[in-house]
Amino acid sequence: AQSVTQPDIHITVSEGASLELRCNYSYGATPYLFWYVQSPGQGLQLLLKYFSGDTLVQGIKGFEAEFKRSQSSFNLRKPSVHWSDAAEYFCAVGAQAAGNKLTFGGGTRVLVKP
Amino acid sequence: GAVVSQHPSRVICKSGTSVKIECRSLDFQATTMFWYRQFPKKSLMLMATSNEGSKATYEQGVEKDKFLINHASLTLSTLTVTSAHPEDSSFYICSAGLAGGLNEQFFGPGTRLTVL
Repeated sequence: AQSVTQPDIHITVSEGASLELRCNYSYGATPYLFWYVQSPGQGLQLLLKYFSGDTLVQGIKGFEAEFKRSQSSFNLRKPSVHWSDAAEYFCAVGAQAAGNKLTFGGGTRVLVKP
Repeated sequence: GAVVSQHPSRVICKSGTSVKIECRSLDFQATTMFWYRQFPKKSLMLMATSNEGSKATYEQGVEKDKFLINHASLTLSTLTVTSAHPEDSSFYICSAGLAGGLNEQFFGPGTRLTVL
């Protein structure tokens, strides 16, 4: 079975500072990895995804993530945070062998200080 | 492209009534749709996988007689919460996968259900 852990429940960062959100997964085969963002009362928006190839993935809104197989991690980064980045972030893992079902981490809430 | 809509966005109902939530893929065909439930400040919990023209596959612990799922066409899946009770109050989100697509899901905006 696949599982995802996001160790940080909350992160507070100053506007303009860098941000890194951690994600660790457990899956026996090569996973598909995703980062989604959710604003309050809204659905999920895909930030980026990793299926194969280059392990450094660029996404929308200036986000990037790096797949590290040896560490079973897929951490999300942004060099300079904007106030509009305050939201809930979810890491997810999927696999065709699992019927393309996604398993989500618990989420990390990002607060941005002015 | 790849837009998913949900209707209604919010619904309030009395205990004991049934509520239907629609999930539509607006600009693509979705052979598979997924239904999730999200409690406040919590992550998404997969309830069921819905394949067009066949019965839905429910996750362990999800009552199939309570949460009826129908996927009658490649662009529409419905979730009916039957005999709703206050504990069914939640945020329900659907997602759709492209036919032949590589595992990516596109999410609807969610439906807030409040059962009084």
